[in-house]
Amino acid sequence: DADVTQTPRNRITKTGKRIMLECSQTKGHDRMYWYRQDPGLGLRLIYYSFDVKDINKGEISDGYSVSRQAQAKFSLSLESAIPNQTALYFCATRPGTAGGYTFGSGTRLTVV
Amino acid sequence: QQQVKQSPQSLIVQKGGISIINCAYENTAFDYFPWYQQFPGKGPALLIAIRPDVSEKKEGRFTISFNKSAKQFSLHIMDSQPGDSATYFCAASMGGTSYGKLTFGQGTILTVHP
Repeated sequence: DADVTQTPRNRITKTGKRIMLECSQTKGHDRMYWYRQDPGLGLRLIYYSFDVKDINKGEISDGYSVSRQAQAKFSLSLESAIPNQTALYFCATRPGTAGGYTFGSGTRLTVV
Repeated sequence: QQQVKQSPQSLIVQKGGISIINCAYENTAFDYFPWYQQFPGKGPALLIAIRPDVSEKKEGRFTISFNKSAKQFSLHIMDSQPGDSATYFCAASMGGTSYGKLTFGQGTILTVHP
């Protein structure tokens, strides 16, 4: 099993619909992150969480919300999807001490 | 504003050649500079990282060169192979309350021709 699992892998949804992207990890890390990847823009941080009670906005949080249900689970929601939220979304974890991120395989979201 | 600028946007290299990707940053509080490699359909994976107390770090064919005064760092891939074809991202983070939050460059699509 992958260390960081994202579901679904692909999703097509309509404008105005609510959608949830899920992430679970088996690394035992406290820190979890949601990033969005767009061509030519790299990865931009949406939300991050240092533990279940600590959730923080990233640079592009507008239109998104998150829920940290447990240490291992961190979900991203689009309350009312719009076409410019079409992107590749990645969840990542990192240990509390110095170390690199472990990314999931991503969710490709298309809003039509 | 925390920002990391990466160039070039795309790079084509012949097998056996040297690939060089450059990044520049603005925030002098950054203290950790990783490079990530991403293959199609996969998430980015940590390739190599450096801290500003050293000017160079080498792991196999991959080398990071770091110039603190110029606020620049670069990735060199020696003897580039077709299997190195991927998207590469530089990134930076700082300690303190922002610890662990990475700021990424725009990405470079590397193609190595056989």
